[in-house]
Amino acid sequence: ETGVTQTPRHLVMGMTNKKSLKCEQHLGHNAMYWYKQSAKKPLELMFVYNFKEQTENNSVPSRFSPECPNSSHLFLHLHTLQPEDSALYLCASSQDNQIRVGDTQYFGPGTRLTVL
Amino acid sequence: GEDVEQSLFLSVREGDSSVINCTYTDSSSTYLYWYKQEPGAGLQLLTYIFSNMDMKQDQRLTVLLNKKDKHLSLRIADTQTGDSAIYFCAVLTPRDRGSTLGRLYFGRGTQLTVWP
Repeated sequence: ETGVTQTPRHLVMGMTNKKSLKCEQHLGHNAMYWYKQSAKKPLELMFVYNFKEQTENNSVPSRFSPECPNSSHLFLHLHTLQPEDSALYLCASSQDNQIRVGDTQYFGPGTRLTVL
Repeated sequence: GEDVEQSLFLSVREGDSSVINCTYTDSSSTYLYWYKQEPGAGLQLLTYIFSNMDMKQDQRLTVLLNKKDKHLSLRIADTQTGDSAIYFCAVLTPRDRGSTLGRLYFGRGTQLTVWP
């Protein structure tokens, strides 16, 4: 499945580092999403972008900074993270986040982030 | 918001059928999905059903929807060891009342273990 790709697949960083996660979708979609998946917790929606505009931010700490330069690319910039931010970060895309036609989300493989 | 509940664990013997159940709370849900996650991987879309349907079959997979009881199930026929994974139920619901934007609500996932 190469519709949604994410890099890097694994990342280890210190609390003072700055790093970025990248997501790219090849499905012609207009909506992109960042999710956080932690052990023993439900999947958490972080950000939603629709036609390059941020439409949802679920009270995510400012040490996570998303960027969506175009409908195919989504970044998550990381700065001064905490050990509890260690998780699997999943990117997804869908047609346009409109509910009327059923907006199926397709996921990338995720980036496994470890914060030391 | 929507509450989506799933049992956490299911064990079956190879060749038997598996049934994974899910309940949700929001009657305005439109599409309901099943995703599969293998270790170290992202979420793979398995199948989905529109809320005005009560059954959908796709090869070994059968999805049943009881909209009155807000109950969704996924049946896997002739379960194989390769089906061992975490299965997530997800429900697409309007983000806010009257909104055309949707949000996907996930259950915590059911760990399916298939014994040879």
